[in-house]
Amino acid sequence: DQQVKQNSPSLSVQEGRISILNCDYTNSMFDYFLWYKKYPAEGPTFLISISSIKDKNEDGRFTVFLNKSAKHLSLHIVPSQPGDSAVYFCAAIRHDKLIFGTGTRLQVFP
Amino acid sequence: KAGVTQTPRYLIKTRGQQVTLSCSPISGHRSVSWYQQTPGQGLQFLFEYFSETQRNKGNFPGRFSGRQFSNSRSEMNVSTLELGDSALYLCASKPTSGYSNQPQHFGDGTRLSIL
Repeated sequence: DQQVKQNSPSLSVQEGRISILNCDYTNSMFDYFLWYKKYPAEGPTFLISISSIKDKNEDGRFTVFLNKSAKHLSLHIVPSQPGDSAVYFCAAIRHDKLIFGTGTRLQVFP
Repeated sequence: KAGVTQTPRYLIKTRGQQVTLSCSPISGHRSVSWYQQTPGQGLQFLFEYFSETQRNKGNFPGRFSGRQFSNSRSEMNVSTLELGDSALYLCASKPTSGYSNQPQHFGDGTRLSIL
């Protein structure tokens, strides 16, 4: 039972444009949502999080939006840079347990 | 500040053997969690340790076990290895347990291959 879903396995975006990564979840009891970025041969790196009581959180080029009624969150990266090319995982927390989506591979091309 | 350190980085075992993986958390972090990453299942939570006690457990068989020492270092053990145990095993630490808004910091993982 996949409680956190990333339906797009890959995304390709031109440098300077906006990247939008999407994530859907099924459990309305999640406390927090997070985004992690992962490069090959490295562990995931925390990017940004949002509490379930908020609908937006911004940190530099990264903004996460939460739509609780749709059980949907998204990560916006503006402007996209080649160094952003990585696999992005959304994750949800309940009872201190992290549940990850399957990831979206973002490719930012010049 | 040193990050989360996992050893070894790569390991090859055969079916039926057992394996122990090690994780040293960030200094001052007392909560350590383990995850398994496979191409088909993504990142899945194994268990969390805090103050030498298992606080949380995922849906893995009893062949997967762990422990934590008084210095917060943690080990994960898998017995009677199966081909399906081939995966990247990731360890993550954070300062305490029970505060969901604290992000976990991951190590680079141990790549376990079962022949």
